[in-house]
Amino acid sequence: GAVVSQHPSWVICKSGTSVKIECRSLDFQATTMFWYRQFPKQSLMLMATSNEGSKATYEQGVEKDKFLINHASLTLSTLTVTSAHPEDSSFYICSAPVGGWNSPLHFGNGTRLTVT
Amino acid sequence: AQSVTQLDSQVPVFEEAPVELRCNYSSSVSVYLFWYVQYPNQGLQLLLKYLSGSTLVKGINGFEAEFNKSQTSFHLRKPSVHISDTAEYFCAVRTGNQFYFGTGTSLTVIP
Repeated sequence: GAVVSQHPSWVICKSGTSVKIECRSLDFQATTMFWYRQFPKQSLMLMATSNEGSKATYEQGVEKDKFLINHASLTLSTLTVTSAHPEDSSFYICSAPVGGWNSPLHFGNGTRLTVT
Repeated sequence: AQSVTQLDSQVPVFEEAPVELRCNYSSSVSVYLFWYVQYPNQGLQLLLKYLSGSTLVKGINGFEAEFNKSQTSFHLRKPSVHISDTAEYFCAVRTGNQFYFGTGTSLTVIP
């Protein structure tokens, strides 16, 4: 089946540094990928829609300069958390639809970011 | 815009008992419905999906769900739960290229 690979699975960084999270579609091409953030015991919050070859579409309230998204190829999207602060600590999950217009999302295994 | 409601935030159930996790959505125009399971510190795994056809769909791990258009519901059921079913469950609706998620139901199976 379709596999979405997300790396790293967890990362600890110091406040003020930047962290890059990679999301790869291993056996299919993804023109669109979605980035979610999840707080403990809560649902998924859509941050942005990553579009191959064009700018990402950010949800209201998400700082595009802080959460940089690049979708340079059909198999890779990256999320960079710039100048991270402790409040950016969270679980970040990427996903991609596989197949046609009625297909489900396939999710990466998520990245646990802890900013100290 | 679409909204997805999971009324039960937490559902405790004894092992081998049946369970139903409820999901309602707001608009039935061209929707596709999914249930996902999430184990701690992992991404979401697709349990089952309704695209068209039979309103009763079967998924992995013995789960099934029934699409009810008149009630705009897509409840998830399992006749006999196991300890390993303890996890977070999310209902999702796709409308066009937009996906909408419920707030999740935490299922705890008690030995």
